[in-house]
Amino acid sequence: ELKVEQNPLFLSMQEGKNYTIYCNYSTTSDRLYWYRQDPGKSLESLFVLLSNGAVKQEGRLMASLDTKARLSTLHITAAVHDLSATYFCAVVDNAGKSTFGDGTTLTVKP
Amino acid sequence: DGGITQSPKYLFRKEGQNVTLSCEQNLNHDAMYWYRQDPGQGLRLIYYSQIVNDFQKGDIAEGYSVSREKKESFPLTVTSAQKNPTAFYLCASSPSWGRYNEQFFGPGTRLTVL
Repeated sequence: ELKVEQNPLFLSMQEGKNYTIYCNYSTTSDRLYWYRQDPGKSLESLFVLLSNGAVKQEGRLMASLDTKARLSTLHITAAVHDLSATYFCAVVDNAGKSTFGDGTTLTVKP
Repeated sequence: DGGITQSPKYLFRKEGQNVTLSCEQNLNHDAMYWYRQDPGQGLRLIYYSQIVNDFQKGDIAEGYSVSREKKESFPLTVTSAQKNPTAFYLCASSPSWGRYNEQFFGPGTRLTVL
């Protein structure tokens, strides 16, 4: 059974600071997604990581995938209040089934 | 506009009632999914359908049922056997089943048991 662990689960940051969210998973996979969820809303796709060493960047967010370490990171650069949300990683197994982490709730304070 | 719609947005259920959540997509996707989200947790897979007229149980199927009679529709029934159904329910679809297909999510239905 594929297990996905995110940490931290809660993150409070000051505006302008940098931080990294980690997503560890238990079995081989080379396909991982990052999503953003605002309170009471659905999931919005942020990044699709397709292979070992993949790196994607959008604005102040950068995601990477290390399939050998079974680790993905979501790095936040110079945080702003608009980035406050819950971030989920989801790992796809060889059968096509997605398993989600519990999410990291990010609060960016002025 | 192409997309996924879910209705209703909010649903209240009395004890012992069955309720049905609607999910419709006009993306021409073969695969569809139902997830449940509890506060402070990630998504858990209830049922999925790889193609029309076919569906399989996910990780937490007990107390739920689905049908897939049309490609664009994948309704979820929450039966009275589901003892703790209060949650946020998300429907998703992807072009086909498999590792290489990104899922797109609907806006969700929030179900509350009175």
